[in-house]
Amino acid sequence: EAGVAQSPRYKIIEKRQSVAFWCNPISGHATLYWYQQILGQGPKLLIQFQNNGVVDDSQLPKDRFSAERLKGVDSTLKIQPAKLEDSAVYLCASSQFPNYGYTFGSGTRLTVV
Amino acid sequence: RKEVEQDPGPFNVPEGATVAFNCTYSNSASQSFFWYRQDCRKEPKLLMSVYSSGNEDGRFTAQLNRASQYISLLIRDSKLSDSATYLCVVNNPGSNYQLIWGAGTKLIIKP
Repeated sequence: EAGVAQSPRYKIIEKRQSVAFWCNPISGHATLYWYQQILGQGPKLLIQFQNNGVVDDSQLPKDRFSAERLKGVDSTLKIQPAKLEDSAVYLCASSQFPNYGYTFGSGTRLTVV
Repeated sequence: RKEVEQDPGPFNVPEGATVAFNCTYSNSASQSFFWYRQDCRKEPKLLMSVYSSGNEDGRFTAQLNRASQYISLLIRDSKLSDSATYLCVVNNPGSNYQLIWGAGTKLIIKP
């Protein structure tokens, strides 16, 4: 079974620039999550999709972050404009059932300078 | 009080020893509990789910104490390869059963 694919692996941008991350979940997984993990902290949920609908985006900073999953398969997360405090690893995960049995992708390490 | 709290460590343990760490949670209505392992610069991976009756997988034993609202992870006969950060995860019934992640406990096994 192919895992969760994410790209890019690393990204360095200047503050106020924009950036986008891509995620392709495991085939058949209806639930997709984007997490932000700052060094030394646990992952923080940014947004959860069930198929192409948003289940929870209460912790997504909507003034600068956006995410979509148009066809209920792959997803993109965008930050515009980036701030220094956005430096983190952005993890995508998927599961067959909501909030159970996650598989994570390898993440995108974002550095904002 | 944080929703999920863990001792950040690091726990420095000699190879072959037994080590245990706990995780406390604040929501008494939580129903699902997990331990994840995260290696340095890698993504978290599910280590084991924690059931009410406790469960064991080889050298790893997980326990749930609902009365005191904590879960524990015991590692016996520790190996160098057990060095990692162990993340405690608890669901929050009041928030769409969203999973709440602890900050992790860092374990270092020394030869």
